[in-house]
Amino acid sequence: QSALTQPASVSGSPGQSITISCTGTNSDVGYYNYVSWYQQYPGKAPKLIIYDVTNRPSGVSARFSGSKSGNAASLTISGLQAEDEADYYCSSYRNSRTTPVIFGGGTKLTVL
Amino acid sequence: QVHLVQSGSELKKPGASVKVSCKAFGYTFSAYALNWVRQAPGQGLEWMGWISTKIGNPTYAPGFTGRFVFSLDTSVNTAYLQIASLKADDSATYYCARGEVGDALDFWGQGTMVTVSS
Repeated sequence: QSALTQPASVSGSPGQSITISCTGTNSDVGYYNYVSWYQQYPGKAPKLIIYDVTNRPSGVSARFSGSKSGNAASLTISGLQAEDEADYYCSSYRNSRTTPVIFGGGTKLTVL
Repeated sequence: QVHLVQSGSELKKPGASVKVSCKAFGYTFSAYALNWVRQAPGQGLEWMGWISTKIGNPTYAPGFTGRFVFSLDTSVNTAYLQIASLKADDSATYYCARGEVGDALDFWGQGTMVTVSS
């Protein structure tokens, strides 16, 4: 299963904004508004932070926002904080009976 | 509140089998499917498949057919992942996660690390 494409790493200083991209195809990201984002700390389970492209689950900071344009989705973190340093994964639904869920390769965010 | 609790770490020899459990708390078990996700050491997330908690029908992603079996015991709100004929490259952390196909995976178990080594 071909993964969605994410940059391997991004970095930013406290207070800045960063954006992580997630590129798919017109069979997944480009066709469905079912893109989600997960935050994972080392040794911990992933946590859902964005669903359906733009929505935040209850309790997730408003500093996290999602968007989509064409075949690419993006996660933006504003007002970067040290605690945001983690791995971030995007995921999308695709029209496939055997692989309806696909993840990106993950992006390591470093807060400088 | 909703949470998924998985069984503890496993150390197995090549050729053995392992069964990982995922017990659900705080919601109606049959209302949401359960997904299984693999994460090899230092690697990303890989969707293995899902099982309908309404009818018990599993769907396996390519690469997870044959040796991998998803099952349920609805009497104790628990899902299982069984892996047969273990190989070294099955060594990974396995997560269960709640979510219907097409929906986000909103709650995750804490993960079960399976190590395959002679």
